[in-house]
Amino acid sequence: KQEVTQIPAALSVPEGENLVLNCSFTDSAIYNLQWFRQDPGKGLTSLLLIQSSQREQTSGRLNASLDKSSGRSTLYIAASQPGDSATYLCAGRFGAYKYIFGTGTRLKVLA
Amino acid sequence: GAVVSQHPSRVICKSGTSVKIECRSLDFQATTMFWYRQFPKKSLMLMATSNEGSKATYEQGVEKDKFLINHASLTLSTLTVTSAHPEDSSFYICSARQLGEGTGELFFGEGSRLTVL
Repeated sequence: KQEVTQIPAALSVPEGENLVLNCSFTDSAIYNLQWFRQDPGKGLTSLLLIQSSQREQTSGRLNASLDKSSGRSTLYIAASQPGDSATYLCAGRFGAYKYIFGTGTRLKVLA
Repeated sequence: GAVVSQHPSRVICKSGTSVKIECRSLDFQATTMFWYRQFPKKSLMLMATSNEGSKATYEQGVEKDKFLINHASLTLSTLTVTSAHPEDSSFYICSARQLGEGTGELFFGEGSRLTVL
């Protein structure tokens, strides 16, 4: 059974800190992995998409890595800001239309 | 990135009524749209996958007759919650894949908060 797990479930950090969010998946036959941000009561905003042939993607202060062999992806946020406070979700694509979401990490960056 | 619009963003209805939620891809054609349901502080649960011009594929445990999905065009899919009950209250989110786009990137709508009284 394909599963996607995110640890930790919640995280509070002081402003300016660099942090890492983790995403694990059980099936190494992953097509791609996508990281999203969700603000309370809102939809999902795509942050980064990593194809199975790639090892990492970067956008501004965000860097996402993908290690298929170990079944892990990380989202690195540099110099965190209060505006980064949100829930971060990862989703793995395991088939043409099969996307499985993790349970998310609720991040709070304290000013 | 591509824009997906959902309407309405919030809806309150009485028990027993039906509610329709629209999902539109504004600047691209979507071969496939997905409908998710999200419970408070939980992840997204895929309800069904809809392809333009064909019947939706429902996930196990999702009632086809309660959650009617129509994908009438390459830019519009609708979810109708029929005879809604309080337990149907939830946050419903749609996503879309772009026609001919090979990365498989998903774009999401803003979600629709349904409250059934």
